[in-house]
Amino acid sequence: EPEVTQTPSHQVTQMGQEVILRCVPISNHLYFYWYRQILGQKVEFLVSFYNNEISEKSEIFDDQFSVERPDGSNFTLKIRSTKLEDSAMYFCASRVESNQPQHFGDGTRLSIL
Amino acid sequence: GENVEQHPSTLSVQEGDSAVIKCTYSDSASNYFPWYKQELGKRPQLIIDIRSNVGEKKDQRIAVTLNKTAKHFSLHITETQPEDSAVYFCAARSNFGNEKLTFGTGTRLTIIP
Repeated sequence: EPEVTQTPSHQVTQMGQEVILRCVPISNHLYFYWYRQILGQKVEFLVSFYNNEISEKSEIFDDQFSVERPDGSNFTLKIRSTKLEDSAMYFCASRVESNQPQHFGDGTRLSIL
Repeated sequence: GENVEQHPSTLSVQEGDSAVIKCTYSDSASNYFPWYKQELGKRPQLIIDIRSNVGEKKDQRIAVTLNKTAKHFSLHITETQPEDSAVYFCAARSNFGNEKLTFGTGTRLTIIP
């Protein structure tokens, strides 16, 4: 069964540094998402992406965050200047079309020191 | 925006007994309600979902019920087994816009052998 893949599985970064999290959605999927889960808390929506543009973003997704689909397969989340509170598990998800389930990747654990 | 409440936050059940987790939602436009199981350090995995035109759905030992009038939905697991131990998240989604998921706060289910 096709899966959403994310790399790296764990990223350790100094505060203030830029970080890029990578995702490869399922190949025929058209809608892409990033979610965040702080340790022990619920999964929170960050941003959705469709047709090469952001369709919605949450309050968490401020100017330090950006997303990109640089080619036909990758979907990236960039945090420009990381803060301690950015430490979390970041999940990428995708779905094929409207009204279909979202499939999640295994996540990237981001640790900011 | 949508708000999803989930109870209880922790639940311990004797192996073989049933477990019930309840969620309420606020947005009457929500019409799709998935349940995710998350094992420690892993991705949320879709275990069952229900759409608003259906009152109940069953898949082997797992069932979900939906009361649209009261805006609540529940997960029922029968004949629980140790491998059912995990954190369970409910979520709600509207078919409008980008169809982002709004998650509940999670229930840590422990099955006691």
